[in-house]
Amino acid sequence: QKEVEQDPGPLSVPEGAIVSLNCTYSNSAFQYFMWYRQYSRKGPELLMYTYSSGNKEDGRFTAQVDKSSKYISLFIRDSQPSDSATYLCAMRNQAGTALIFGKGTTLSVSS
Amino acid sequence: GAGVSQSPSNKVTEKGKDVELRCDPISGHTALYWYRQSLGQGLEFLIYFQGNSAPDKSGLPSDRFSAERTGGSVSTLTIQRTQQEDSAVYLCASSSDPTVREQYFGPGTRLTVT
Repeated sequence: QKEVEQDPGPLSVPEGAIVSLNCTYSNSAFQYFMWYRQYSRKGPELLMYTYSSGNKEDGRFTAQVDKSSKYISLFIRDSQPSDSATYLCAMRNQAGTALIFGKGTTLSVSS
Repeated sequence: GAGVSQSPSNKVTEKGKDVELRCDPISGHTALYWYRQSLGQGLEFLIYFQGNSAPDKSGLPSDRFSAERTGGSVSTLTIQRTQQEDSAVYLCASSSDPTVREQYFGPGTRLTVT
């Protein structure tokens, strides 16, 4: 079992839809959870990070962490064509030296 | 300000040749990371440099891979005797955050081994 699992999609939604992106993980020691966005031929950029369990909101984006289920989510409200990208979940490794990434979910928002 | 830069942006090499990939981190960032992104795979951690500490090389896939960071700034990732399975995008990231939460990535070097 990989440490971080993420459905690669692709996921296609119409403009204005609510998007839900998810990851599961196996190591209960993980404490820091991140979501990165990657446009084609670009490096990933940090969207949000959450420490331990709970919700965090930033504009149209909401990150949720459920440590009891080892499950994290990213919600995008009022999705826009500019949100079309690959979304990568990431978690800090136990040594605190690197991030462990999911494979990424490719999202396409059509106008 | 200037972000993380990487060179070359694309590299095509023949199997068996050595390649060097360069990363210029954001000025003042003490932490530097190398990752590899293969088709259909997530980012795979390769190596981590933090200040003057010994690097964490635990992600390097074989002894053909090595990296150095000179003067706490520029880093070079070297792949010796390249193989076709080395074909991937090599991404460098830097951070001023010792808790390893926020990393700033460069655009990557796309390596193709023929």
